[in-house]
Amino acid sequence: GENVEQHPSTLSVQEGDSAVIKCTYSDSASNYFPWYKQELGKRPQLIIDIRSNVGEKKDQRIAVTLNKTAKHFSLHITETQPEDSAVYFCAASLNSGTYKYIFGTGTRLKVLA
Amino acid sequence: DSGVTQTPKHLITATGQRVTLRCSPRSGDLSVYWYQQSLDQGLQFLIQYYNGEERAKGNILERFSAQQFPDLHSELNLSSLELGDSALYFCASSPPGTGELFFGEGSRLTVL
Repeated sequence: GENVEQHPSTLSVQEGDSAVIKCTYSDSASNYFPWYKQELGKRPQLIIDIRSNVGEKKDQRIAVTLNKTAKHFSLHITETQPEDSAVYFCAASLNSGTYKYIFGTGTRLKVLA
Repeated sequence: DSGVTQTPKHLITATGQRVTLRCSPRSGDLSVYWYQQSLDQGLQFLIQYYNGEERAKGNILERFSAQQFPDLHSELNLSSLELGDSALYFCASSPPGTGELFFGEGSRLTVL
């Protein structure tokens, strides 16, 4: 069935370093790839997304890359700050009138001051 | 504030009982999604509605059911509750055409 694998499950980085989280999806028809950030005890919130007609998208310190051939997409956070500490979820979605989402299992990022 | 309202925020009940969780989507959003998040776990997709009709079903137990009403609010019914049903239940809505999910604050269910 449809599946999204996310790695690593936990990631610790020093403040100022970069963090990379990777996801692989199984459904080649997926065409929308969002990333959500969930701070402790709070709701997930969209931080960046990319559609299948684009290979890379950047928003300040965060960027997402997509390799459709490999069915692989990644989140890159540069110059990490303590407030980046959270759980990050990737998702692959198919727009077939409405969006059907499959979420990855999440990555707990800890930024050490 | 995402504009998605979930009630109740917290609920404590006993095994074998039945509860109803309610979700009001953002104004104009036709899609409603329900997710279950157990402690330190990911977002397990339960069910999706679009304009009153069921659109997709995930790993939703037979003891669980949901519906979306004509005013677009949705309810998730959980019956014959077990200890393992203790979790945070999120509702999310999505505006037509964009794909972005707006999550509510969640309903934390504790089954004792």
